[in-house]
Amino acid sequence: EDQVTQSPEALRLQEGESSSLNCSYTVSGLRGLFWYRQDPGKGPEFLFTLYSAGEEKEKERLKATLTKKESFLHITAPKPEDSATYLCARGSNTGKLIFGQGTTLQVKP
Amino acid sequence: DVKVTQSSRYLVKRTGEKVFLECVQDMDHENMFWYRQDPGLGLRLIYFSYDVKMKEKGDIPEGYSVSREKKERFSLILESASTNQTSMYLCASSRGLNTEAFFGQGTRLTVV
Repeated sequence: EDQVTQSPEALRLQEGESSSLNCSYTVSGLRGLFWYRQDPGKGPEFLFTLYSAGEEKEKERLKATLTKKESFLHITAPKPEDSATYLCARGSNTGKLIFGQGTTLQVKP
Repeated sequence: DVKVTQSSRYLVKRTGEKVFLECVQDMDHENMFWYRQDPGLGLRLIYFSYDVKMKEKGDIPEGYSVSREKKERFSLILESASTNQTSMYLCASSRGLNTEAFFGQGTRLTVV
């Protein structure tokens, strides 16, 4: 069964303290790995798509990387406005996106 | 920019009512999706559509139906609302299967 597991569930950082969020997935039939940001009470906002192991994408303080078994979202020198829930999802043979449970990030000033 | 618009941000309905949630996208996307999101359960796919008049069941279709008469519009119907359908409902669209999906702002539905 296709699964996506995110860790940690919650992460508290001080402003400027860099860290990484993990997204691991079952290996068979990966058809893309997607990262989203979700603010409370709002719909997820698309961040990145990765398709191949070794691929990297960057946007401001965020960098997403992909290996054969997992993806990382690296947050460099985070600011309080980076506080949100970060979701990853994988594509599948059926074309459906399979979401993880998310990592809730809190950045304190 | 892709825009996915859901007809309501907040809805309160009574048990047994028929409820319509509407979603419109403006990017000529082929695929549209309906999810619900609950604390601790994450995003769960209810139904999706990969073409006009086509629909596929997702992981939790019971108690729901959908309609896609035009490419840009995808409706979710709760035939007889129940309290366990109180949730955040999210509509999304994508250009193709296994491409990035873009979400609407969500509808917080409360069934009393």
